[in-house]
This record gives sequence, structure tokens and C-alpha cells, in this order.
Amino acid sequence: NAGVMQNPRHLVRRRGQEARLRCSPMKGHSHVYWYRQLPEEGLKFMVYLQKENIIDESGMPKERFSAEFPKEGPSILRIQQVVRGDSAAYFCASSPQGTHHGYTFGSGTRLTVV
Amino acid sequence: DAKTTQPNSMESNEEEPVHLPCNHSTISGTDYIHWYRQLPSQGPEYVIHGLTSNVNNRMASLAIAEDRKSSTLILHRATLRDAAVYYCILRDVGNEKLTFGTGTRLTIIP
Repeated sequence: NAGVMQNPRHLVRRRGQEARLRCSPMKGHSHVYWYRQLPEEGLKFMVYLQKENIIDESGMPKERFSAEFPKEGPSILRIQQVVRGDSAAYFCASSPQGTHHGYTFGSGTRLTVV
Repeated sequence: DAKTTQPNSMESNEEEPVHLPCNHSTISGTDYIHWYRQLPSQGPEYVIHGLTSNVNNRMASLAIAEDRKSSTLILHRATLRDAAVYYCILRDVGNEKLTFGTGTRLTIIP
């Protein structure tokens, strides 16, 4: 039973390029969450999605960031026109529907903007 | 979200028990107490959670004070692989977000 799969593990982008981060939840999990961890800082919630729906995007920056979780395929976090301040580790987590148990996190994507 | 307070860092000797404290004096009746840990260069890992009663699983035990204003995560026999940042998080029923604080950095001394 594979865990939460994130790819790529490391991503280098030049300023102004687009970054696409992918997350495949655990089998049977229908809830996906994205978190960001800036260097030397704690994890911050970004967005919570269910299949084809954004449930809570209160932690997403207002511009350049978007997320989706299509009916088929992984969840995608998209960052347009990246800037140096976007350099961070981005973690995805998943959980089954209707549970208050713990989330399963992926190993993260480390984005470096040069 | 109710706030939690944890020591910034703790040290423990290998193969000894570790007690990681967490204060949450403003906890509400519907807040679950969750613990996660983050090993270096890894994503957070769920450890344990509870509401009112003490809880045990294969990783750890969670002792919850009777008034629920504090809790303690207990690692029964620390190994070097337990060196991580440990986060105590309150999560309300119906709230899907986890609010991470700064956690406790646990160092295990061989």
C-alpha cells in the first residue's frame, strides 16, 4: 500500500517560470491537503481539496497559486511566474473521507527558485 | 484555533523514556489533541491523537490531563531514529486544517 506520492522531489525553476507539483494520495483517500514550509519556518496550511472541488483555500496566496484535484489523476499545485520567495518545501497530505484520524503526508517537493 | 505551548528543545538518552509536554489551556470541548513528528528532510508523520482518555499505539502513548489543559507524549524507549521535531496540535471536530506551531526539537544522545 503505497503512501502519499509527491513528485518531483526536487524542482529548480528560474524566476518567472511555472512550477507544477504533483501529489497522488493514498489509495482510498479522497481528501488532499497542501502545506508549505519556508526555510527555518513551520508548516503552513495552503489548501484543502476533494475530488473536483476546492473546499478551503484560505491559506493560498491570492495570486499566482492554484490547486486542483481532478476526477482522474493526481492533485496539482501550480505556481505561475515563480519568485525567489516561493522557494520552500511543499508537502501534500491525504486522508479518507469522514475520519478524524491522522493525515498521511508525502515526502514533499523542494522548490528552489534561482 | 486554540494555541499550544511546547518547549523549544529537549534532549534524552538513547533507550530511555521521553516525556514531551504540551500545554493547551484554552482547549475547547471538541478539540482533539494530535501529535505529529517531522524527521529531517521528511514530511510530517502522524504519531497519535486523543480526546479525553489516555491512548496507546505502537509508536507512543498520549497522557491527557484530567482538565485537558495539558498533555504529554511518551516515547517508551527512545532510539536515534526518534530524533525529530514533535508537534502538538489541537484540531476541532469539523476542522480539516492542521495548525502547526514551532514544536519541540528532540535530540537523542547515544
